[in-house]
Amino acid sequence: SAVISQKPSRDICQRGTSLTIQCQVDSQVTMMFWYRQQPGQSLTLIATANQGSEATYESGFVIDKFPISRPNLTFSTLTVSNMSPEDSSIYLCSVRGGVVYGYTFGSGTRLTVV
Amino acid sequence: GENVEQHPSTLSVQEGDSAVIKCTYSDSASNYFPWYKQELGKRPQLIIDIRSNVGEKKDQRIAVTLNKTAKHFSLHITETQPEDSAVYFCAASTGQAGTALIFGKGTTLSVSS
Repeated sequence: SAVISQKPSRDICQRGTSLTIQCQVDSQVTMMFWYRQQPGQSLTLIATANQGSEATYESGFVIDKFPISRPNLTFSTLTVSNMSPEDSSIYLCSVRGGVVYGYTFGSGTRLTVV
Repeated sequence: GENVEQHPSTLSVQEGDSAVIKCTYSDSASNYFPWYKQELGKRPQLIIDIRSNVGEKKDQRIAVTLNKTAKHFSLHITETQPEDSAVYFCAASTGQAGTALIFGKGTTLSVSS
């Protein structure tokens, strides 16, 4: 299965600033998925990122707040913009492993906004 | 879109007992149903999955059953151990290219010795 390197692993940021999270996959994948996990909650899909086109955002998430880049088939970034304390969460990227259907997750980025 | 409901939200059992967590899904096109275990501060880890052409799958103390007609699937853990204590998430996907997993809200399992 694919191996994902996600960074940073954690960060403490000032409100009003932005943080960019990176995910590098060790193999080429068509789609990458970004999730948010608020404290004590489940994983909520933010968007699906396809190489060469704009990401598709789920209801409640907008591109201005969570811009995503997908420059090639092994890399993606998620930016959390103009942060507020409500953005304090764990952010995870995920990929689907081909015909096996299995999904792999990055190690997550624990974001705290103060 | 897909919606996954998971019950119960918390489950406490004695060591050695069985634990059952149930999920229902809404999209009849979903055909892939994984279960994840998440320990505190760690990423979700796949523990077992089932595809729609299978009704039951076992892996040692863990089993998953699927009823496609009723659109529900369940996780069964037998002979529970304290190290089984964690949050468990069910999820569903159509398995098609570009389709993400949609997760249930999770079940916090506590196994006391």
